[in-house]
Amino acid sequence: DSGVTQTPKHLITATGQRVTLRCSPRSGDLSVYWYQQSLDQGLQFLIHYYNGEERAKGNILERFSAQQFPDLHSELNLSSLELGDSALYFCASSPEGGPNQPQHFGDGTRLSIL
Amino acid sequence: GEDVEQSLFLSVREGDSSVINCTYTDSSSTYLYWYKQEPGAGLQLLTYIFSNMDMKQDQRLTVLLNKKDKHLSLRIADTQTGDSAIYFCAEKGGGTYKYIFGTGTRLKVLA
Repeated sequence: DSGVTQTPKHLITATGQRVTLRCSPRSGDLSVYWYQQSLDQGLQFLIHYYNGEERAKGNILERFSAQQFPDLHSELNLSSLELGDSALYFCASSPEGGPNQPQHFGDGTRLSIL
Repeated sequence: GEDVEQSLFLSVREGDSSVINCTYTDSSSTYLYWYKQEPGAGLQLLTYIFSNMDMKQDQRLTVLLNKKDKHLSLRIADTQTGDSAIYFCAEKGGGTYKYIFGTGTRLKVLA
């Protein structure tokens, strides 16, 4: 158990809809990262938050947004969903305070667009 | 830009050693990581190495880093069927909070 909790585990919805994925980082971790894993594109970095502030953006579409709340949990919002958005979405957390800061991953949310 | 490359597949016999290779382009990388992903699960951190080290050993795992060639390898001794998974190499650049992951190597262990 990595200590990172993601909900829901599975989500099935239709094109054009909007969904929210939730992530609770490990206790004490201030950084949250979001990744998209699809069969054809591997693991793609989407966005990184540190203590409530956006730190880095990767290949995140404009239809997607995220935020990190004062209690450090994070949400990834996906809107105007398309078939190609079907993927596994992972959240990872790290302390970001010391020299050895590996990321610890949650089990992911599997999003299926019908 | 930064890039991390891995071969896609590796097949070994149970009891043999496995060597998974990774090359990266960012010379300012400070830490390099190996993750394991089993079917239907998230990525599990296996080990990591700081860029000023050449080698790190952790039980059956040995990480070798050739900083000059920007080449990283993960050796799994006495490979077991439970080691069958996808292995990801990742780098973290110096002065950034961004992690770059490789495409993953699917390791299949034959009994």
